Amino acid sequence: ETGVTQSPTHLIKTRGQQVTLRCSSQSGHNTVSWYQQALGQGPQFIFQYYREEENGRGNFPPRFSGLQFPNYSSELNVNALELDDSALYLCASSLLGVLDYGYTFGSGTRLTVV
Amino acid sequence: ELKVEQNPLFLSMQEGKNYTIYCNYSTTSDRLYWYRQDPGKSLESLFVLLSNGAVKQEGRLMASLDTKARLSTLHITAAVHDLSATYFCAVFPTGTASKLTFGTGTRLQVTL
Repeated sequence: ETGVTQSPTHLIKTRGQQVTLRCSSQSGHNTVSWYQQALGQGPQFIFQYYREEENGRGNFPPRFSGLQFPNYSSELNVNALELDDSALYLCASSLLGVLDYGYTFGSGTRLTVV
Repeated sequence: ELKVEQNPLFLSMQEGKNYTIYCNYSTTSDRLYWYRQDPGKSLESLFVLLSNGAVKQEGRLMASLDTKARLSTLHITAAVHDLSATYFCAVFPTGTASKLTFGTGTRLQVTL
């Protein structure tokens, strides 16, 4: 059984650019959630995908968008990067409706916007 | 909107001492999660508390849940340096299985 894997691990982008982050869910999980964690803060919910549809969204602007693929892997896209987008981005997978085990988190992508 | 608060935000304690971290949340929820995060690393699941009165223990850590008081505690017994990390509690808003909402985190530093 594999865990949640994210790529890349680190990324440096320039303000105004676009970025795509990737996540492979844990085997058997059908739901993926994305979180943004700024330095010294708790993770903030961006959105969740289930069966390739957005299934909940936090207080993030539309320039944050996502995709979920038939194999349950996922992408997070951020357009028009701003300096405040610098953070650790965490992907978490789960089995919808089965909350007894919570979420399994990936190791994260550290994004730096300069 | 669901608010999850932890206190203290920072805790420095000596090895061998006991202490408790508190997690309060603002709306009803019948399950609560505790995670550990080491610097620069991801979140490691520690405990899943699924009902009122639930108590779970693993090593020197024990977590409990009081859904009526909307309070969870994480008790540390005879702390050791390896427990140094940031601890987060998290809950789902009532009636939803998405938007797991995290607390502010408690940074624990155990000194020798």
